[in-house]
Amino acid sequence: DTEVTQTPKHLVMGMTNKKSLKCEQHMGHRAMYWYKQKAKKPPELMFVYSYEKLSINESVPSRFSPECPNSSLLNLHLHALQPEDSALYLCASSHAGSLNQPQHFGDGTRLSIL
Amino acid sequence: AQKVTQAQTEISVVEKEDVTLDCVYETRDTTYYLFWYKQPPSGELVFLIRRNSFDEQNEISGRYSWNFQKSTSSFNFTITASQVVDSAVYFCALTSPDRGSTLGRLYFGRGTQLTVWP
Repeated sequence: DTEVTQTPKHLVMGMTNKKSLKCEQHMGHRAMYWYKQKAKKPPELMFVYSYEKLSINESVPSRFSPECPNSSLLNLHLHALQPEDSALYLCASSHAGSLNQPQHFGDGTRLSIL
Repeated sequence: AQKVTQAQTEISVVEKEDVTLDCVYETRDTTYYLFWYKQPPSGELVFLIRRNSFDEQNEISGRYSWNFQKSTSSFNFTITASQVVDSAVYFCALTSPDRGSTLGRLYFGRGTQLTVWP
């Protein structure tokens, strides 16, 4: 079992819906990440939180809104998504402050936009 | 700029064959870290190994081995006596200082799909 838990595992939503993806880790990591992965492509970084503060936003459209309510939780709020946003969304965590620490990934949420 | 190249898009082998996955990287940083991740069909990326730029020792872990050569900027991954459970997409990745921060920004290669047939 992965130590990073993502819910839901699958999500189908219409373009006018509002939904949230959730990520939780209990490894004491203070850096958390959201990635988007399309089929047959590598993961693309979206956001990075370090010590619960947003540190990196890779010019992601505002219809994606991240939130880090505490050191264990990371949310991604979705609103008015487009069909091209259908993808696997991966959450990861790592120790902050050191480049050599590997990121640990969850199973992902498979998102389909109708 | 950081770049990771995995030239092999897909590899198919029969069980018990040895297989090597190639990874070539580019960076101007003197301090960097290289990683291999495995992504089975379930979706999770599983961390396999980390190597820092100052440590060129090769490593073996069971059926897995890694060959890091700075002279050729390569970090190749060999699976000995492959098994069906090894079927997955394998990503090589590089991390180096990101605009002066200490956050680990991963630069992924495009991945190699390995299929092991029984």
